[in-house]
Amino acid sequence: EILMMQSPGTLSVSPGERATLSCRASQSVSTKLAWYKVKPGQAPRLLIYGASTRATDIPARFSGSGSGTEFTLTISSLQSEDSAIYYCQQYNNWVLTFGGGTKVEIK
Amino acid sequence: QVQLVQSGAEVRRPGASVKISCETSGYNFSGHYLHWVRQAPGLGFEWMGWMNCNNGATTYARKFKGRVAMTRDTSVRTAYLELTGLRYDDTAIYSCARCPQAGLNYFDPWGQGTLVTVTS
Repeated sequence: EILMMQSPGTLSVSPGERATLSCRASQSVSTKLAWYKVKPGQAPRLLIYGASTRATDIPARFSGSGSGTEFTLTISSLQSEDSAIYYCQQYNNWVLTFGGGTKVEIK
Repeated sequence: QVQLVQSGAEVRRPGASVKISCETSGYNFSGHYLHWVRQAPGLGFEWMGWMNCNNGATTYARKFKGRVAMTRDTSVRTAYLELTGLRYDDTAIYSCARCPQAGLNYFDPWGQGTLVTVTS
């Protein structure tokens, strides 16, 4: 099973500032990496797949990068509605695994 | 638009079974895989398995083999998750999620989740 580790656990960022979230895999997942946004009481929403491809209707301020074992989700200019928990998920191995999440707070 | 709507919350005793439904709309049901994922209180997401909605073939995570069954009824575009031998640590929100591209197992969209509480 591939372990996915996210950092930091919590990120506090001022509106308009950049937020950088990290996700590390215990072994290479190539670019088979997705990011999801989860708000309380709501279904998770796909943000990024293929490590860097934005999903439909996702704002351009969200971008993903990386390959192999190191990945980054960047929110270029944080908006109030971006307050949420963000999870990465690898799908390179048939046993699908998630990171533990990064909580993004608005300062 | 693509929608996955799940059945309501359930409360069960330890040792009982639960069956959750996931009604789909807005896309070719038989053309996609559906996955089930759960999240226990305060914990992360745990993948349970997937089902090929065309032929009903399934793959389950080893942890759940023998206790889980994923089925579907194509006539009503609905998938089902049944979990037997419930334990206290099966208390979680269970979600169905569609795999949008064959062979690429990421999820879009997800159902709204079904809370299953196991309590005596």
